[in-house]
Amino acid sequence: DAGVIQSPRHEVTEMGQEVTLRCKPISGHDYLFWYRQTMMRGLELLIYFNNNVPIDDSGMPEDRFSAKMPNASFSTLKIQPSEPRDSAVYFCASSFDYNEQFFGPGTRLTVL
Amino acid sequence: AQKITQTQPGMFVQEKEAVTLDCTYDTSDPSYGLFWYKQPSSGEMIFLIYQGSYDQQNATEGRYSLNFQKARKSANLVISASQLGDSAMYFCALPTSGTYKYIFGTGTRLKVLA
Repeated sequence: DAGVIQSPRHEVTEMGQEVTLRCKPISGHDYLFWYRQTMMRGLELLIYFNNNVPIDDSGMPEDRFSAKMPNASFSTLKIQPSEPRDSAVYFCASSFDYNEQFFGPGTRLTVL
Repeated sequence: AQKITQTQPGMFVQEKEAVTLDCTYDTSDPSYGLFWYKQPSSGEMIFLIYQGSYDQQNATEGRYSLNFQKARKSANLVISASQLGDSAMYFCALPTSGTYKYIFGTGTRLKVLA
């Protein structure tokens, strides 16, 4: 079975542009998580979904960030407008119930 | 509030030797679990091992085992017979009370020496 799939793997954009990160969770998993990893702040949970419904978005840094999960096999994380401080690696992870989370390969975002 | 601490920013170990990576935690939950992940230089996060607070035995997965001391609130990862491919960052994680949110430690960077 394929693992968590993320695209793109790398994204370089200019400040002010819209960025959309995509994630396909493992089939059958009912939880989906978006994380951000930086040297300064480590690994932070941004938002997570259960059965496509957002459960906790308290980690979303500000209104420029939004996430959707229109169906069980797809989620997006959007940043509009992007800023240089958004540069980070963004991970998507999925799990079945309270079990271990499986992470995607990450998207390395650079905002110039 | 939940807290998880990894006090070793970096560790070295000789190939084929065992190494212990420390993780201490604080939680008021009567039942909880602890997870360890490996992050190699390629960047992906790889699940290694899980310990439930009520598990009777320490968890083991191949060369990975947990030295779980509930009274001390520690869940140290032991890697036996280290290999060069074990060089990576290692994170322990604790789900926050009543949620599916993980709190991650700051990680330990392990370097295996040939």
